[in-house]
Order: sequence, then C-alpha cells, then structure tokens
Amino acid sequence: GAGVSQSPSNKVTEKGKDVELRCDPISGHTALYWYRQRLGQGLEFLIYFQGNSAPDKSGLPSDRFSAERTGESVSTLTIQRTQQEDSAVYLCASSLTGTGSYEQYFGPGTRLTVT
Amino acid sequence: GNSVTQMEGPVTLSEEAFLTINCTYTATGYPSLFWYVQYPGEGLQLLLKATKADDKGSNKGFEATYRKETTSFHLEKGSVQVSDSAVYFCALAYPNTGNQFYFGTGTSLTVIP
Repeated sequence: GAGVSQSPSNKVTEKGKDVELRCDPISGHTALYWYRQRLGQGLEFLIYFQGNSAPDKSGLPSDRFSAERTGESVSTLTIQRTQQEDSAVYLCASSLTGTGSYEQYFGPGTRLTVT
Repeated sequence: GNSVTQMEGPVTLSEEAFLTINCTYTATGYPSLFWYVQYPGEGLQLLLKATKADDKGSNKGFEATYRKETTSFHLEKGSVQVSDSAVYFCALAYPNTGNQFYFGTGTSLTVIP
C-alpha cells in the first residue's frame, strides 16, 4: 500500500515568508509525528498527534511554528515569518498507535531552504 | 532527560568488513530501543528493535543487543555490502507513553567494493 507522502519535496522561500508543509499519513494510522532534521544533526521532535487527543506541541521551537491535523488524515505544518535557521528537512511519520513499541513509518521529507 | 548518543561518522568500510556502530542511551525506566536506516534518497525505515533488556533485534544480517547494564544498543554486522551504505539512526521510545521518539544524530556508512 501507499506509504507516508509529503509535499512539496523541496521548498525555497525568502526570509520572512510563511510556508506550509503537508503530510499524508498511511491510511488507518492514528498517530502522526513531525520532526526537523538540520544538516549534520539528529531528528528533532516537533509535534505529535494521536487520534482526536490534544496534540503534544512540546517540541515546537517557537510560536512561529504550528501544525494541524483533521481527524486521522492529512497534517499541515506551518512556519510563519521564516528565518534562515528554519532551513532543514522536515520529516513526517505515522504509526498505528502512539505507543513507542509501534514502528514509525517515515515520509521522504520536505527540504526547506530559507534564503 | 532521555537522550541517545551515537558514534560520529562518517564510517567507510571495505565490502565484507565487520561493522560496529556504537549507541548508548540515557533514560529512566525501560524504554524500547530501535535502529532506523535511511538509504540514499529514501525515508527512514525501521531496521530492528528490542523491547527489553537482553533482547536481541536482528534483520538483514544486522544485530543489536539491548544491554541495560551498559545502557547500550550497538549495531553490528559481520560482513557489510555496498548496498548497506546508508545513514543509521539509533532511537529510544517508551512503549506505554509513546509520544516521543528520541533519535541519535545518525552515523553515515559508506561501503566500498
């Protein structure tokens, strides 16, 4: 079946502009995660959605970052007033449940470059 | 807090060489431990996992043993192939609380013929 998809695959934007990144999880997966991967660094947790529960936003680096998810479907990550330090690969993952024993399936990522 | 530390790369090996990528963790309680792999141009995918102490995860010739006494989960393979060239990530998560996975910084492996 289809895996996790993300769009766009690449995004170049000017500093100060807003960007919206999209993630389509695997159908039926209740949990969805967003991560940021800066060049040469590990994955940095951003936000987690589990079903209809309130999302865990503890990893969002500033109030310029927000994310939404409607039910158990598509999620969008929005970065307002982008800064150069926001340049990174943004990864989305989904899993059957939110428990750590379930495998996370990752999308290919969106490479964001802020000029 | 919870964290994962991996050996820094890049690692370059000749085909059929023995591979070890070290991973140690800091955590409370009993996390599950994972190795994820990212092949060039692809997304991360689960390579293997272990959910309790002394468990050994294995897949595609790779193995890792959950060592609570040394808080380690080192990845090993007896004979690497060119197709194993990828970035390897060690991670931990708590199975019953779930929301966060903690990933290491990744170790890049290049296998040359």
